[in-house]
Amino acid sequence: NAGVTQTPKFRVLKTGQSMTLLCAQDMNHEYMYWYRQDPGMGLRLIHYSVGEGTTAKGEVPDGYNVSRLKKQNFLLGLESAAPSQTSVYFCASSKGGSGANVLTFGAGSRLTVL
Amino acid sequence: GQQLNQSPQSMFIQEGEDVSMNCTSSSIFNTWLWYKQDPGEGPVLLIALYKAGELTSNGRLTAQFGITRKDSFLNISASIPSDVGIYFCAGQNSNYQLIWGAGTKLIIKP
Repeated sequence: NAGVTQTPKFRVLKTGQSMTLLCAQDMNHEYMYWYRQDPGMGLRLIHYSVGEGTTAKGEVPDGYNVSRLKKQNFLLGLESAAPSQTSVYFCASSKGGSGANVLTFGAGSRLTVL
Repeated sequence: GQQLNQSPQSMFIQEGEDVSMNCTSSSIFNTWLWYKQDPGEGPVLLIALYKAGELTSNGRLTAQFGITRKDSFLNISASIPSDVGIYFCAGQNSNYQLIWGAGTKLIIKP
């Protein structure tokens, strides 16, 4: 059981380049999330989705776009990368609905923007 | 918006020592979650707490849901080298949103 899989694990971009991070989950979870983690700042929510075809902004959405065309996949896009987007990105998923919102995380994608 | 204050920010301890960390807020939460992140990995759920006053253990880990619903505590007894990492608390509010603490980094002195 793979859980949450993120690709790629590492990527180096030049300022202004674009890229997409892919997240896939095999747990039939309704909700999916993208977080970024920076030293001393914990986890900050970028965007999330409460179901196929839906997306919503989180705490730090600027400079990112997302899409949830299939229930199992959640894509995070950077249209024009900036050095401030150098970070470790984590995807997570949860069952959703009422009750406790327990997240399962992927292993992370480390992005460096030069 | 809602915030969680997680402390301490980091801890240097000797192997075998007990560890305590906590999260506090001015807001009420319905669920408290404690995660651990190993270096180079994503956070993994350690303990989930669903009821005020609840005390739950997972091996050497014990966590409590504060009676006021505004805080939670995590204790680790007899620490071992594999306990190193970053521990995160997260509180779920009445809108089912998760609010995250900034993490406690645990370092074991050689």
